[in-house]
Amino acid sequence: GDSVTQMEGPVTLSEEAFLTINCTYTATGYPSLFWYVQYPGEGLQLLLKATKADDKGSNKGFEATYRKETTSFHLEKGSVQVSDSAVYFCALRGGFKTIFGAGTRLFVKA
Amino acid sequence: EAQVTQNPRYLITVTGKKLTVTCSQNMNHEYMSWYRQDPGLGLRQIYYSMNVEVTDKGDVPEGYKVSRKEKRNFPLILESPSPNQTSLYFCASSSRLRDGNSPLHFGNGTRLTVT
Repeated sequence: GDSVTQMEGPVTLSEEAFLTINCTYTATGYPSLFWYVQYPGEGLQLLLKATKADDKGSNKGFEATYRKETTSFHLEKGSVQVSDSAVYFCALRGGFKTIFGAGTRLFVKA
Repeated sequence: EAQVTQNPRYLITVTGKKLTVTCSQNMNHEYMSWYRQDPGLGLRQIYYSMNVEVTDKGDVPEGYKVSRKEKRNFPLILESPSPNQTSLYFCASSSRLRDGNSPLHFGNGTRLTVT
């Protein structure tokens, strides 16, 4: 069945460092891909999405490109801030079902 | 404000005492779903509903029940809670079922402890 694998955390970075969180997927068909973010004490919220191959999703300085050839959707940000500290989930949606990765916790130090 | 509202936020109960976690959305979404979040396991789907009176099992349905009598509400029922159901629970909703563009909208979660 469909699945999502993302890098284990936690990831600890200093402010203004470059961030990459790896995400790969297996799926039949052509799913849409998402990154969700969960801040402490809150539910998940959509960070960005891409619905077809080579699409780039972007929001709040974060970017991810839908790479069909490598079945990947890595999350990147050029300069992280303390306020980016959160748990990040990669997810795919085929039809009505959404499948999530295990989540990667990010700590950003001032 | 468009939102998914879950109640309660925190719940401590004892084994075997029936409980209900409520979920309501005000976005007229057809699709609603319950997830549990456990460390290292991400989010696992418990049950989902594609519309009123239409529900189906997710990946971990054992020990849970749901109902969808109205479009806006999707309560999660634990008839006889056990300690292995201690977890963080999220309700989510989405529109346009077959449209991959539609993200999920989540509630703020219910932290359940069963002793």
